[in-house]
Amino acid sequence: SQQGEEDPQALSIQEGENATMNCSYKTSINNLQWYRQNSGRGLVHLILIRSNEREKHSGRLRVTLDTSKKSSSLLITASRAADTASYFCATDFKETSGSRLTFGEGTQLTVNP
Amino acid sequence: DARVTQTPRHKVTEMGQEVTMRCQPILGHNTVFWYRQTMMQGLELLAYFRNRAPLDDSGMPKDRFSAEMPDATLATLKIQPSEPRDSAVYFCASGFQGLRTDTQYFGPGTRLTVL
Repeated sequence: SQQGEEDPQALSIQEGENATMNCSYKTSINNLQWYRQNSGRGLVHLILIRSNEREKHSGRLRVTLDTSKKSSSLLITASRAADTASYFCATDFKETSGSRLTFGEGTQLTVNP
Repeated sequence: DARVTQTPRHKVTEMGQEVTMRCQPILGHNTVFWYRQTMMQGLELLAYFRNRAPLDDSGMPKDRFSAEMPDATLATLKIQPSEPRDSAVYFCASGFQGLRTDTQYFGPGTRLTVL
């Protein structure tokens, strides 16, 4: 399977702490994306990192990509209760007929007030 | 504020009935995706279209599922006949893609319950 795998499956922290989620994948990619899903809602794009990039920031989010290890991490700094959600990594799995994203199973993050 | 819209948001039906879900992608996007999300299987890609042409529908059970894009503003996913195992949340997403996949914008989903 080309699917990304997130680790851990679930993470519970206190407000103000940092949260780190990891994603591993199996094939070469064009880019890797992170999405957030609040309960009962659709997925929302957070950040995209291309295969030639190693680190990217967006507000309180920091994403790293290590293509040699086929892994990525998402760091949320100074977490808030509103960050409680599921977080998915998605890899751009290149096909001959086009390209599509393959989503992992997600990390459920709970931020306790 | 452009967004993907999906109708209906909730659907409860009985086994054997036809179900049609609709999606309006963001204007200007050339690619539309249909996903299904369940607790057991996670997020699965069912089918996707580029410039209204189907590129991949290998994730769909072909005997009962069909996906179409009658025009650039409407994508449909139909299940006929529906079965209890089809109960899930169905998401539509759209994006603009060239040679590589970029951001996908998801709709709010249709929660389908088949009794």
